Amino acid sequence: EAQVTQNPRYLITVTGKKLTVTCSQNMNHEYMSWYRQDPGLGLRQIYYSMNVEVTDKGDVPEGYKVSRKEKRNFPLILESPSPNQTSLYFCASSSWTGRREQYFGPGTRLTVT
Amino acid sequence: EDQVTQSPEALRLQEGESSSLNCSYTVSGLRGLFWYRQDPGKGPEFLFTLYSAGEEKEKERLKATLTKKESFLHITAPKPEDSATYLCAVLNTGNQFYFGTGTSLTVIP
Repeated sequence: EAQVTQNPRYLITVTGKKLTVTCSQNMNHEYMSWYRQDPGLGLRQIYYSMNVEVTDKGDVPEGYKVSRKEKRNFPLILESPSPNQTSLYFCASSSWTGRREQYFGPGTRLTVT
Repeated sequence: EDQVTQSPEALRLQEGESSSLNCSYTVSGLRGLFWYRQDPGKGPEFLFTLYSAGEEKEKERLKATLTKKESFLHITAPKPEDSATYLCAVLNTGNQFYFGTGTSLTVIP
């Protein structure tokens, strides 16, 4: 089954404690992306990657890091989380030909206290 | 700055009552305009991609259209199962996506 998986689905952490949210896709997609979704602000792109070892900043990259060492994986790293990073996070992947439709993961709800 | 604005924020329809959702956009260079459906607690699900003004796409009760400044999602004779939040997004020539804040649709039986 074609899918994007994220782990963990739920995470409560404290300010400053480094964390990683994993994202994996099994569709051999070139493009992968991270978004955060906040009430009233919608989905905002954090980082995206066109392929292995190629990453670029989205609209709201501050406080986040990413890496793309393998085509299927695109982890999101918060080196020193702060309460304003409390949000719902989605990973997505897309083939970069044809419709460029993004397949989204189930989301990770992060709370930073 | 690239931007997407959706209206209305919320829409309540009786079953069978057709209507349209609006997505207006400003983008430095448009590579595509996308419509997604999002159900509560889930990730967005792809509906359509439109590439150029005048293009139309249809799927069951949904029809998406595109002009140089906006897109419409027309819902014909909606059913309760069409209740969801509908998201519009643009992809610019820098390969970045910008999403609107969505229209929350409720279809009452």
